[in-house]
Amino acid sequence: EPEVTQTPSHQVTQMGQEVILRCVPISNHLYFYWYRQILGQKVEFLVSFYNNEISEKSEIFDDQFSVERPDGSNFTLKIRSTKLEDSAMYFCASSELRGDSYEQYFGPGTRLTVT
Amino acid sequence: AQSVTQPDIHITVSEGASLELRCNYSYGATPYLFWYVQSPGQGLQLLLKYFSGDTLVQGIKGFEAEFKRSQSSFNLRKPSVHWSDAAEYFCAVGANRDDKIIFGKGTRLHILP
Repeated sequence: EPEVTQTPSHQVTQMGQEVILRCVPISNHLYFYWYRQILGQKVEFLVSFYNNEISEKSEIFDDQFSVERPDGSNFTLKIRSTKLEDSAMYFCASSELRGDSYEQYFGPGTRLTVT
Repeated sequence: AQSVTQPDIHITVSEGASLELRCNYSYGATPYLFWYVQSPGQGLQLLLKYFSGDTLVQGIKGFEAEFKRSQSSFNLRKPSVHWSDAAEYFCAVGANRDDKIIFGKGTRLHILP
């Protein structure tokens, strides 16, 4: 069964550094998402992406964040200057409209630790 | 704005007992409703979803959920839990097919042997 993959599984970085989290969505999917989950808290929406542009973003997704689909397969989340509070699990998801049914398929996540 | 409430932070049941996890949502129209499960250190796995039609939805691993519009609820049930069901369960709601999903805070399920 096709699945969303994410790399790396764990990233440790120092405060102020840039990080890029990578995702490979399911190949025929058209919508892409990033969510995050701070330890012990609920999963929160960050951004959705369709047709090579952001379709919606949350208030969490400020100017420090950006997303890109640099080629036909990857979908990346960049944090320009990481802060301690960016430490979280970041989930990528993708979906495809199929008639009356749709589902967001989630990747296994990247655990980001900012020190 | 959509929101999801899971009133129980922790639930403990004995193996073999029945289970019901509660979920209430807030949304003006008919929502898209989901239950996800997250095992420790793992990602999110979809258990089941409701878009329309039959209000009793069957999912994977023997789970089912019932959509009750009058109560704005989408409770998850399983007739007999297994030790492997110990995990965190998230109820979630979406407004449109390509919309973001809003998650509840989750219910952590503990299983007694």
